[in-house]
Amino acid sequence: QKEVEQNSGPLSVPEGAIASLNCTYSDRGSQSFFWYRQYSGKSPELIMFIYSNGDKEDGRFTAQLNKASQYVSLLIRDSQPSDSATYLCAVNEWGGSQGNLIFGKGTKLSVKP
Amino acid sequence: DAGVIQSPRHEVTEMGQEVTLRCKPISGHDYLFWYRQTMMRGLELLIYFNNNVPIDDSGMPEDRFSAKMPNASFSTLKIQPSEPRDSAVYFCASSLGGQGSEKLFFGSGTQLSVL
Repeated sequence: QKEVEQNSGPLSVPEGAIASLNCTYSDRGSQSFFWYRQYSGKSPELIMFIYSNGDKEDGRFTAQLNKASQYVSLLIRDSQPSDSATYLCAVNEWGGSQGNLIFGKGTKLSVKP
Repeated sequence: DAGVIQSPRHEVTEMGQEVTLRCKPISGHDYLFWYRQTMMRGLELLIYFNNNVPIDDSGMPEDRFSAKMPNASFSTLKIQPSEPRDSAVYFCASSLGGQGSEKLFFGSGTQLSVL
């Protein structure tokens, strides 16, 4: 059974701080990694994806991947109250069921003004 | 493009009734997914289609659930008969597929309540 694990939170950070969200996955064959943001009552929306070991930066967001440790993280710099949402980690094993994402249950982030 | 369109947004029904959820994917997307989200189990994949063909339905909970995709622009998820434990938010999503473009675009979801 392929699993994606996240701390459910809530993770509370003050405005302007760095929020660090973590995710581990069980399948070593996983090739693609995604972070989705879901506001309360809304649908998930893609904010970051990463395929290679290392860091990938996009504005205030940085995704970090370590395949040896089966670990992926999302850093949010200069956190804003508008970043308050649940962040879902998703993993795709390429070569198997293409496009079949396994989602973690999400980490709820609260950014306090 | 209007994005992935789902209907209805909310559905309240009584146990034993048939429920049909509808989805229109983004034009040109080859993959269509049905997910179910609950607090306890998170976001679970029920079934997905590639070019209108069902590829993996191992997530469909039981025979009460069925899904069809008669053409590239329409899919349905049917529950018959419905049960209270089916209450959840059901999302439809579509993607282009292929590594580098398998990013999912979700519809607004259908909030299903079975009384």
